[in-house]
Amino acid sequence: ETGVTQSPTHLIKTRGQQVTLRCSSQSGHNTVSWYQQALGQGPQFIFQYYREEENGRGNFPPRFSGLQFPNYSSELNVNALELDDSALYLCASRVGGGRLDEQFFGPGTRLTVL
Amino acid sequence: DAKTTQPTSMDCAEGRAANLPCNHSTISGNEYVYWYRQIHSQGPQYIIHGLKNNETNEMASLIITEDRKSSTLILPHATLRDTAVYYCIVRALIQGAQKLVFGQGTRLTINP
Repeated sequence: ETGVTQSPTHLIKTRGQQVTLRCSSQSGHNTVSWYQQALGQGPQFIFQYYREEENGRGNFPPRFSGLQFPNYSSELNVNALELDDSALYLCASRVGGGRLDEQFFGPGTRLTVL
Repeated sequence: DAKTTQPTSMDCAEGRAANLPCNHSTISGNEYVYWYRQIHSQGPQYIIHGLKNNETNEMASLIITEDRKSSTLILPHATLRDTAVYYCIVRALIQGAQKLVFGQGTRLTINP
């Protein structure tokens, strides 16, 4: 078991609404990355947080934002939801500067935008 | 990060070896080959990685060609639980945001 948890498991929203997804990282991991996975596609990197600061971002608009808290848990916020935001949202945690093979993914949150 | 090419889907009989190919002809000297898999409704799981030597762990073996332009992931005795999408990723070990660039992967189905 990886120890990375995400909530909620599933979520349904309508266009224009805002959503907050949560990730609890594995104990001792201070780095959290978020990925978006559309149906039938591989995960796409959204951004990464290290010690409460964003330190890397993929090709996603500013309406995708995040937070990391002192306990290293993290939130992904998406404003003005669009239909194409329907996807599985994954978070992954590791120790900053640690090896990628020691990064663990959570089970994801399935977001449906109607 | 170098681009990878994988077959869209593969089938394998339970108990047989599953050999999943990956082409990465533009790989650079400092780039590693990583393999992940994603079982339905779960997050991706790390399997193995290597630079130029063949690697083996409790899950799989990784065979990298001498020119490093392709590799093969081998699951020696496939079980039904190995049914998943397998991703081959090439990336350098650099500081900063160590993002993973996933392609579409290979959907491996293990048949009883």
